[in-house]
Amino acid sequence: EPEVTQTPSHQVTQMGQEVILRCVPISNHLYFYWYRQILGQKVEFLVSFYNNEISEKSEIFDDQFSVERPDGSNFTLKIRSTKLEDSAMYFCASRLDVFPLAKNIQYFGAGTRLSVL
Amino acid sequence: QKEVEQNSGPLSVPEGAIASLNCTYSDRVSQSFFWYRQYSGKSPELIMSIYSNGDKEDGRFTAQLNKASQYVSLLIRDSQPSDSATYLCAVRYGANSKLTFGKGITLSVRP
Repeated sequence: EPEVTQTPSHQVTQMGQEVILRCVPISNHLYFYWYRQILGQKVEFLVSFYNNEISEKSEIFDDQFSVERPDGSNFTLKIRSTKLEDSAMYFCASRLDVFPLAKNIQYFGAGTRLSVL
Repeated sequence: QKEVEQNSGPLSVPEGAIASLNCTYSDRVSQSFFWYRQYSGKSPELIMSIYSNGDKEDGRFTAQLNKASQYVSLLIRDSQPSDSATYLCAVRYGANSKLTFGKGITLSVRP
């Protein structure tokens, strides 16, 4: 069964460093998302991406964050200068863009645990 | 601010019992409702989706939606220890929009 793939599974970085989290969405999906979950807290939306541009972003997704689809398969989240509070599990999700609505389920990757020291 | 509330929990039930998980949401224009299961340290896994008022059954799981009361619930029949996890309620407010999650309810099924 197709799945969303995320790498690395765990990323450790020093505060102030740049990190890039990578995702390979399901191949025929057209909408891509990043969510994060700080330990013990709820899953929070960061950004959605469609047709090579951001379609929606949250207030968390400030100038330190960017997303890119550098080729036909990868979808990346870059954090330019990491802070301690960026430590979280980051989930990539993707979905189809078809009718009817019932088919537009978001499928989540296994996540990347980001630890900022 | 669109909110999804899951205020009850943690929930502990004996094996074989029915577990009832509840969720309320704040925005009446919500279109789609989802229950995800999340094991500790893992990603959310879709259990059920529901779009219309009433009940939707899939195996041991039943989702119930009441749009007038802005309430969605998940019933798990014949609960198994492997059902022990955190159950996340998620709401989508438009066809193309993000999911808004509740904080989750942790279910423990006692053997």
